[in-house]
Amino acid sequence: DGGITQSPKYLFRKEGQNVTLSCEQNLNHDAMYWYRQDPGQGLRLIYYSQIVNDFQKGDIAEGYSVSREKKESFPLTVTSAQKNPTAFYLCASQSRVNQPQHFGDGTRLSIL
Amino acid sequence: AQSVTQLGSHVSVSEGALVLLRCNYSSSVPPYLFWYVQYPNQGLQLLLKYTSAATLVKGINGFEAEFKKSETSFHLTKPSAHMSDAAEYFCAVSPNYGGSQGNLIFGKGTKLSVKP
Repeated sequence: DGGITQSPKYLFRKEGQNVTLSCEQNLNHDAMYWYRQDPGQGLRLIYYSQIVNDFQKGDIAEGYSVSREKKESFPLTVTSAQKNPTAFYLCASQSRVNQPQHFGDGTRLSIL
Repeated sequence: AQSVTQLGSHVSVSEGALVLLRCNYSSSVPPYLFWYVQYPNQGLQLLLKYTSAATLVKGINGFEAEFKKSETSFHLTKPSAHMSDAAEYFCAVSPNYGGSQGNLIFGKGTKLSVKP
């Protein structure tokens, strides 16, 4: 079945550590997105990529980095500069502009 | 800038009662609108989408939404709530109609509780 796979489902970060969240899709979608979800705040856009080897900052990009070396993959790194990383992270993909986004099942990141 | 407002962060209904979740948007051009549902610790699942073809949109699980341009609203309804409808619901708008960017703007969500 086509879909989006996020891993791991749960992740713990130590102080000063960078961690990378994986997002893989087999829907052949060009665009991919990373969102952060906090209780009562909805979804906030971190980064997005509309094509391989290109990506743009979203509303809350500080403390995060991404790469898009392959169409299928859009990993997100939460760096030590992100002082409040505890959240639920969602990855999505989209076939073209104005079409629905398809979501993975998320990664929950916590601080040790 | 475009925005989405969902009135009521929590809504509680009895099983079998009408479900009404409110969504208002701000847009200077005809928008594309979406409703998503999220169950605990899962991603978002598309319920329905409005793309200007018809003002009344039917979605999955018996949900529907009506686009009202004069009220800038896109409220979600279901005639009879089921226990399995308990979840969080998000309204979203595509902010760049006709443009090159596909990112969506989401409301803050409404948690629906269903009482037996």
